[in-house]
Amino acid sequence: SAVISQKPSRDICQRGTSLTIQCQVDSQVTMMFWYRQQPGQSLTLIATANQGSEATYESGFVIDKFPISRPNLTFSTLTVSNMSPEDSSIYLCSVEDPDSNSYEQYFGPGTRLTVT
Amino acid sequence: GQSLEQPSEVTAVEGAIVQINCTYQTSGFYGLSWYQQHDGGAPTFLSYNALDGLEETGRFSSFLSRSDSYGYLLLQELQMKDSASYFCAVRAPGDTGGGNKLTFGTGTQLKVEL
Repeated sequence: SAVISQKPSRDICQRGTSLTIQCQVDSQVTMMFWYRQQPGQSLTLIATANQGSEATYESGFVIDKFPISRPNLTFSTLTVSNMSPEDSSIYLCSVEDPDSNSYEQYFGPGTRLTVT
Repeated sequence: GQSLEQPSEVTAVEGAIVQINCTYQTSGFYGLSWYQQHDGGAPTFLSYNALDGLEETGRFSSFLSRSDSYGYLLLQELQMKDSASYFCAVRAPGDTGGGNKLTFGTGTQLKVEL
């Protein structure tokens, strides 16, 4: 299993500014994932962050808008840049259990972002 | 592209059995997972099916039919604490050259009543 923490837990930001979300895992993992979830909606994968390489972004998400860092095997950051009200959402990081035959993912508690 | 459809809402009484269906259309497929998410909480893993058939874990069971692109989550002996959102998720190759990824379904809100 893995325990994941995220900072901040929530924030209210003005449009045009940027926010960096931190994700810390209590064990070393190869793959970390960043998701976005509108309240009451499904989860949408933003990007996959592997240590030592550039993040891989899903269709509709670009590095300039969501730059990601992965400096080591226990930590990652996601920045939401030049924010607009449409970026208001819950942002979650997750990791895949490397020892699981079920490819189980563990999720952080999420960061609730409101852009005004 | 990927699409996974689930009923938006299911209501059942405590002690009953409920089935949550998931149909999917994906460009690749390795397996189907189920996650539970309580309001304000993080998703938590319930089950994973890579092969056809039924997997049982306590009160929860999950079924997969790859030929029908269909699966379901079966919850038995429902308890009030089972009230939550349930998501199916397909594990498949990433479509941007990355590794494998999960694509989540639309989600089903389960309400358990007395």
